[in-house]
Amino acid sequence: AQSVTQPDARVTVSEGASLQLRCKYSYSATPYLFWYVQYPRQGLQLLLKYYSGDPVVQGVNGFEAEFSKSNSSFHLRKASVHWSDSAVYFCAVSAGNTGNYKYVFGAGTRLKVIA
Amino acid sequence: NSKVIQTPRYLVKGQGQKAKMRCIPEKGHPVVFWYQQNKNNEFKFLINFQNQEVLQQIDMTEKRFSAECPSNSPCSLEIQSSEAGDSALYLCASSRTTNTEVFFGKGTRLTVV
Repeated sequence: AQSVTQPDARVTVSEGASLQLRCKYSYSATPYLFWYVQYPRQGLQLLLKYYSGDPVVQGVNGFEAEFSKSNSSFHLRKASVHWSDSAVYFCAVSAGNTGNYKYVFGAGTRLKVIA
Repeated sequence: NSKVIQTPRYLVKGQGQKAKMRCIPEKGHPVVFWYQQNKNNEFKFLINFQNQEVLQQIDMTEKRFSAECPSNSPCSLEIQSSEAGDSALYLCASSRTTNTEVFFGKGTRLTVV
């Protein structure tokens, strides 16, 4: 079964600084990977996804993520954060075409952007 | 922006009461998921459907929880006898297929008092 670890429960960065949120997954085959963001009192919004091909994928609002099969990672990055990026970020994995249809989510990383 | 509609946004029930919440998936999305998100932001998968058929569900769902996705009607999740531990945000999500990205509604926050 697949699993996801987000090792940083909380991250604080200054506005304008770069950002990396870490995600490690465990799955025997190549998974489908996602990053979602959750703002207060909102559902989850998809930031980006990886199915195959170029390991660096671009998402909305300047976010990108890099898939590494050797490291079993899918870290999220942004070159310059804005105060409005403060939210909880979730990494998720699905098992592709295996017949296991559940998406597994990490515990989330709460990002706080300070002035 | 997601077009998954969940109602009600907030639900308060006493212990032992039924709690029912609804979800209208995005048009053209035959796959529907229900997740429970607790106060620690942990997600627990409850059940998923493809069209009206259950694909997977957890044991907990089989006992006090029931869910359905009838044709031409909203999907629903019902807790027959609410317990304090059921207090959580219940998220519905829909997808075009079983393994492509899912789109979430804003959730129903259930409080069991």
